[in-house]
Order: sequence, then C-alpha cells, then structure tokens
Amino acid sequence: EPEVTQTPSHQVTQMGQEVILRCVPISNHLYFYWYRQILGQKVEFLVSFYNNEISEKSEIFDDQFSVERPDGSNFTLKIRSTKLEDSAMYFCASTGTGGRNTEAFFGQGTRLTVV
Amino acid sequence: DQQVKQNSPSLSVQEGRISILNCDYTNSMFDYFLWYKKYPAEGPTFLISISSIKDKNEDGRFTVFLNKSAKHLSLHIVPSQPGDSAVYFCAAKGAALSNFGNEKLTFGTGTRLTIIP
Repeated sequence: EPEVTQTPSHQVTQMGQEVILRCVPISNHLYFYWYRQILGQKVEFLVSFYNNEISEKSEIFDDQFSVERPDGSNFTLKIRSTKLEDSAMYFCASTGTGGRNTEAFFGQGTRLTVV
Repeated sequence: DQQVKQNSPSLSVQEGRISILNCDYTNSMFDYFLWYKKYPAEGPTFLISISSIKDKNEDGRFTVFLNKSAKHLSLHIVPSQPGDSAVYFCAAKGAALSNFGNEKLTFGTGTRLTIIP
C-alpha cells in the first residue's frame, strides 16, 4: 500500500541551527501538508502546498519556516534558525486529487528536539 | 481557539464491549469530519469519515455518527479489541475555509483509548 515516508525519524539540533525535514508523499498525490504536534498537545496545521506554491499557512508558519518540492518527489520543511519551542513531532501529509471528501495520509513523523 | 474538542482525554473499555469516543465542534463551516488513530511514534492513520450531508457512516466495527444541530460526532467501535488501544483524533475540514481541494484539517486534542483484556 502506498505510504508517505519521512526522514529522519528523529533529529536533534542546537538552538539557532537550520534543519530540513524531508518527506516523500504518495506518488500521484497533488496536495501536500505539514503539521506538527508539540508533546501533549493537539496536531496543528502548518502549511499546505499545491502546484509548487504555498496554498495556505497558519500563524505558526512564520518567516523562519519554508517549504519546497525540489525534485518532483521530495517535499521538505526547512526551519532556518531553530528555537526551543520548535521541538515537536512534525508530520507530512498528502491528499490525492483534491476532490471533496478525501482523507489525508500521514507519514510516521519526525521528532525534532532543539537543545 | 478550540474549534474541535474532545473532552475525554482517556477512556478504558473492556474487550468485547462498545467504545464510544465523542467530539464536539464549534465552527459551522466544517462540512467533513474524520477520525484518525495514532499509535506512539507513528503518524495518524485514517480510520473513517463522514460528510455533513449524512448522519451515519459505517465501516466494519467502526461507525461514526454526526449530529449537525448539536455540532457533535461520535465514533463507535464494537466489539472493542486490544489492538484498538491507541489515541483517537477527531478532525474536521470545510470547503469554504480553504481553497478547493487544499483543505487543512483542524484536529481535536485526542482521546487515549485503552482496551482491557
């Protein structure tokens, strides 16, 4: 069964460093998302991406964040200068044709720890 | 701003009995609702969904009920099995809230379900 894959599964970084989280969405999907879950809190929307541009972003997704689909298969989330409060599980998701009533498929997540 | 609420952080149910997980929402623009199941160190896995034009959707042991007037939905699992032990998230989206097809999900805080053998 096709799945969304994310790498790495766990990333530890020093505060102020840049990190890139990688995702390979399901191959024929067109819409891509990043969500995050801070420990003990709910899953929160960060950004959606379609047709090589951001469709929507939340207030969490500030200038320190960027997304890219560099090669038609990978979908990356970059945090330019990490802060302690960026520590969270980051989930990539994708949906197919974009028709109504479709579900998002999630990757297994990347645990980001900022020290 | 908790637009989707799951008021029970945890629930324990005997194996074989019915598990009922509840979810309330406040945004009347939501028109599609989903339940996701999550195991530790894994991503959310889609379980079942319901459109706002329906009041019930059934898939095997899982049934989701939607009461639009009360802005309430519930997930019934019957019979409950030990493998059902996980965190269950209710999520909602609305066509009017995002660009068509690019519909972000708003999640509840989750309910940890434990099935007791």
